[in-house]
Amino acid sequence: GQNFDQPTEMTATEGAIVQINCTYQTSGFNGLFWYQQHAGEAPTFLSYNVLDGLEEKGRFSSFLSRSKGYSYLLLKELQMKDSASYLCAVFSGGYNKLIFGAGTRLAVHP
Amino acid sequence: DSGVTQTPKHLITATGQRVTLRCSPRSGDLSVYWYQQSLDQGLQFLIQYYNGEERAKGNILERFSAQQFPDLHSELNLSSLELGDSALYFCASSVQGGDTEAFFGQGTRLTVV
Repeated sequence: GQNFDQPTEMTATEGAIVQINCTYQTSGFNGLFWYQQHAGEAPTFLSYNVLDGLEEKGRFSSFLSRSKGYSYLLLKELQMKDSASYLCAVFSGGYNKLIFGAGTRLAVHP
Repeated sequence: DSGVTQTPKHLITATGQRVTLRCSPRSGDLSVYWYQQSLDQGLQFLIQYYNGEERAKGNILERFSAQQFPDLHSELNLSSLELGDSALYFCASSVQGGDTEAFFGQGTRLTVV
């Protein structure tokens, strides 16, 4: 089976840095995805970590520790448009079942 | 624009009715996923197809069924609709199965009245 643990909500200030954590337990693991979803809109792909370590992509970075079942998404220089839900996801039990955590709702304030 | 097309965007129907949601994957993508997202809830995995074959199933109700056609578009059929089926239904596609990111369509918002 698969279980995720993400904080339900977070708040941060414009221009600041925020770290969104995701811990997971899954049978079979190929890597961890992060998606962004604005309310009522489609999720959009942010990052995919297969190997341990930090991957940086502009203002967003993502970290994975396979041994600890832990990942985080780091958002720098926060902007108001970053207010959204952030979802971690894994392929569970093979290559066909892409499962999402409940997501962390981030509110960025001026 | 992700390249994944879902129709219709909005659908209002009565309880007990049947509807069909359509998804056209990105060009070249063989894998299609369907998700249900109720208000303020997470994405619930329903079913996945790869090149016309069902490969994975989530907690999909027996009243729901899906298929992927030879041209790779997919349809999700929802029957005997109940009020609780009101939700956003997303389709996503990827080049293959696992190990590649999936791209989402804009979703179909289903309202059952």
